[in-house]
Amino acid sequence: DAKTTQPTSMDCAEGRAANLPCNHSTISGNEYVYWYRQIHSQGPQYIIHGLKNNETNEMASLIITEDRKSSTLILPHATLRDTAVYYCIVSLSTRGSGGSNYKLTFGKGTLLTVNP
Amino acid sequence: EAEVAQSPRYKITEKSQAVAFWCDPISGHATLYWYRQILGQGPELLVQFQDESVVDDSQLPKDRFSAERLKGVDSTLKIQPAELGDSAMYLCASRAGGSEQYFGPGTRLTVT
Repeated sequence: DAKTTQPTSMDCAEGRAANLPCNHSTISGNEYVYWYRQIHSQGPQYIIHGLKNNETNEMASLIITEDRKSSTLILPHATLRDTAVYYCIVSLSTRGSGGSNYKLTFGKGTLLTVNP
Repeated sequence: EAEVAQSPRYKITEKSQAVAFWCDPISGHATLYWYRQILGQGPELLVQFQDESVVDDSQLPKDRFSAERLKGVDSTLKIQPAELGDSAMYLCASRAGGSEQYFGPGTRLTVT
């Protein structure tokens, strides 16, 4: 799996947009970009994933550059409850082989602190 | 909303003792994962099941760790004997056919 690089920590003011960057310059053509977050003392929570098109759901937006070497997770209106470690992961799709090639390799992630 | 259940939530054991963790995935989820998370690190995959079969246990320390999912539903992860370095959070996750893994709250293990 391709390796990802994320800043160790970031701060954001409550109500403002949080933009979390991720570099994945060695991503291969069939690898997806996944984002998970982990609030303190809880298990990780899925946020969003994408291949090459920008994606949006009720939690966040994912912007992937055209060359797919980097991406940005956007939380449009951060709240105090968004304070967490955010993990950017690249992995193969779940399709085929029962998804046996789909594995999440977590790095250390970015600690996002939302301040009042 | 359905959730992954894990027990116990906290476990303190002495080194050289045996310890076991239990996970009940979301109903209908065929894929089950066990992860270990050391403080300050991201989760590390230990073992992956598809129904009752192990599809990946390459990172499982097989001299002391074992995992089973006999009926393809709930699962047990065992450590025998426990070592000080096994102190960590043990997370279980399950997945249906899609990409999203659903994680349980974890079991915090402290080995003294």
